[in-house]
Amino acid sequence: GAVVSQHPSRVICKSGTSVKIECRSLDFQATTMFWYRQFPKQSLMLMATSNEGSKATYEQGVEKDKFLINHASLTLSTLTVTSAHPEDSSFYICSARDFRGFQETQYFGPGTRLLVL
Amino acid sequence: AQTVTQSQPEMSVQEAETVTLSCTYDTSENNYYLFWYKQPPSRQMILVIRQEAYKQQNATENRFSVNFQKAAKSFSLKISDSQLGDTAMYFCAFMTPNTNAGKSTFGDGTTLTVKP
Repeated sequence: GAVVSQHPSRVICKSGTSVKIECRSLDFQATTMFWYRQFPKQSLMLMATSNEGSKATYEQGVEKDKFLINHASLTLSTLTVTSAHPEDSSFYICSARDFRGFQETQYFGPGTRLLVL
Repeated sequence: AQTVTQSQPEMSVQEAETVTLSCTYDTSENNYYLFWYKQPPSRQMILVIRQEAYKQQNATENRFSVNFQKAAKSFSLKISDSQLGDTAMYFCAFMTPNTNAGKSTFGDGTTLTVKP
């Protein structure tokens, strides 16, 4: 299967600061990436769809000015949590769609644990 | 809109035995993909198995197999010879092709515990 990396794996920051999370597809090009948020023992909640070279599409209820997404290349998407607050503490997961071999599949990064103090 | 339902929040199985996790979905699409993902305590989402809707043959991957019933919109996962490492949360997912600018829809998950 394809490999998606995510960095950092864990971050602790003070309230009011901004945090950037990187998502990279290591062995394939990803025109579409997704950002999810997951609470313990719950399902994945889609935050936004990141499209290379264009603006991200945000799900209803997700503040686009707070969660900035940039998909500047075919292998990199970034999520910046601006002016983070304790309620933003969560597990964030990115994923990328792989279209190789006409077998579309979604692969996931290992996730980032964000703790805002 | 698509929906995915996993009706079993928690399940357990004895090591070496077989267990089946259920998943149903609702869609008006004819072309789509179905997946089972495993999320162990590390929380890394791992692809277990995939199925294309146009294929009648059920997908298999070593000890993992699916029972895909398109008319019934059912997609269950069977784990044979269960191992302790199979303990994880399992998510059923539905995805439409990118040509439809589709997104994935996930079920609420089933927590599987394999007991020694």
